[in-house]
Amino acid sequence: GDSVTQMEGPVTLSEEAFLTINCTYTATGYPSLFWYVQYPGEGLQLLLKATKADDKGSNKGFEATYRKETTSFHLEKGSVQVSDSAVYFCALIDNYGQNFVFGPGTRLSVLP
Amino acid sequence: KAGVTQTPRYLIKTRGQQVTLSCSPISGHRSVSWYQQTPGQGLQFLFEYFSETQRNKGNFPGRFSGRQFSNSRSEMNVSTLELGDSALYLCASTGTASSMNTEAFFGQGTRLTVV
Repeated sequence: GDSVTQMEGPVTLSEEAFLTINCTYTATGYPSLFWYVQYPGEGLQLLLKATKADDKGSNKGFEATYRKETTSFHLEKGSVQVSDSAVYFCALIDNYGQNFVFGPGTRLSVLP
Repeated sequence: KAGVTQTPRYLIKTRGQQVTLSCSPISGHRSVSWYQQTPGQGLQFLFEYFSETQRNKGNFPGRFSGRQFSNSRSEMNVSTLELGDSALYLCASTGTASSMNTEAFFGQGTRLTVV
């Protein structure tokens, strides 16, 4: 079945450092890809998405590009802030769009 | 507009009991999905409803069930609770039949603790 793999962390960075969280997937067909973020005590919030190969999703300084050839969707941010501390989930949804398959999540801590 | 509302936020139950969790989607949304989040297994799909019909089901035992009402509100039920059912249960709603091109909105979850 479909699956998502991502670095589990935790990842600890200093403020203004560069962030990369790797995500790779296995899926039949052409899934849509997502990054969700979960702040403490909260549900999931959509950070960005891409629905086809070579699409770049971006939001709040975060970016990720759908790479079909490497089945990857790595999350990047040029300069992280303390407020970015959260758990980040990479996810895909299949062609039928009925349920997400999530990666294990990566906990990010940003120190001032 | 109001977001996805899950009630209750916290629950403590005893092994062997049953529990019902509720999810009210965003107004106008017809698709509701449920996920279980645990530290060991991460986020796992339970089931998805669209217009009162279960369209998809994850790999969970029959003790886990759900339903959706005509107003799109959904409930999930877990019978004969086990310690391993302790988890955060998340509900998500989408406005269309597919989440591929639309955003899925998640509630804050219900934290279930089984003792």
